[in-house]
Amino acid sequence: AQSVAQPEDQVNVAEGNPLTVKCTYSVSGNPYLFWYVQYPNRGLQFLLKYITGDNLVKGSYGFEAEFNKSQTSFHLKKPSALVSDSALYFCAVNWAGNNRKLIWGLGTSLAVNP
Amino acid sequence: NAGVTQTPKFQVLKTGQSMTLQCAQDMNHEYMSWYRQDPGMGLRLIHYSVGAGITDQGEVPNGYNVSRSTTEDFPLRLLSAAPSQTSVYFCASSYSRQGKTYEQYFGPGTRLTVT
Repeated sequence: AQSVAQPEDQVNVAEGNPLTVKCTYSVSGNPYLFWYVQYPNRGLQFLLKYITGDNLVKGSYGFEAEFNKSQTSFHLKKPSALVSDSALYFCAVNWAGNNRKLIWGLGTSLAVNP
Repeated sequence: NAGVTQTPKFQVLKTGQSMTLQCAQDMNHEYMSWYRQDPGMGLRLIHYSVGAGITDQGEVPNGYNVSRSTTEDFPLRLLSAAPSQTSVYFCASSYSRQGKTYEQYFGPGTRLTVT
């Protein structure tokens, strides 16, 4: 069965420290992987995606993510966290560009403390 | 570009009432979808459309209808509102290339309360 897991409901990090938000997936075939961010009372915003090519992808607001095929992971990272990064982060995966089969993680709440 | 727009932002309905949530996008995206977001349950797909005149059910379609008469518009109709439909509703759109769809662009959401 296809699935996405965000193993941490909440991540706390101090401002200026590196942050990681974890995502693992299970999908047959070639995964298309996405990260989205949701600020309070707002819609989701696309951050970055992995389709093919370099395993390290860079996205908006200084975020990056590394695709690891052997570990079936796509962790979101940022070298230096900002208080304004505090938000809800969602990982999503589909099989080879089929959004009819897009699977969402349940989200990870990131709190960056001043 | 306005992106994806949704109206209304807030709505309160009584049980049994019907209403339509509006969604429009100006990016000429073929793929559009409706989600509901509930605490602890993430995003759940209600209905989606891969182009004008084509719609299909998602994960939780019961109690909702959709139509897609134009590329731009994708309204969601609640037929007879129930308290279980209290939620935040998001419309999203995505571009397609050679049959594949990519990242989605979301509207600001509609917060619906059914009493």
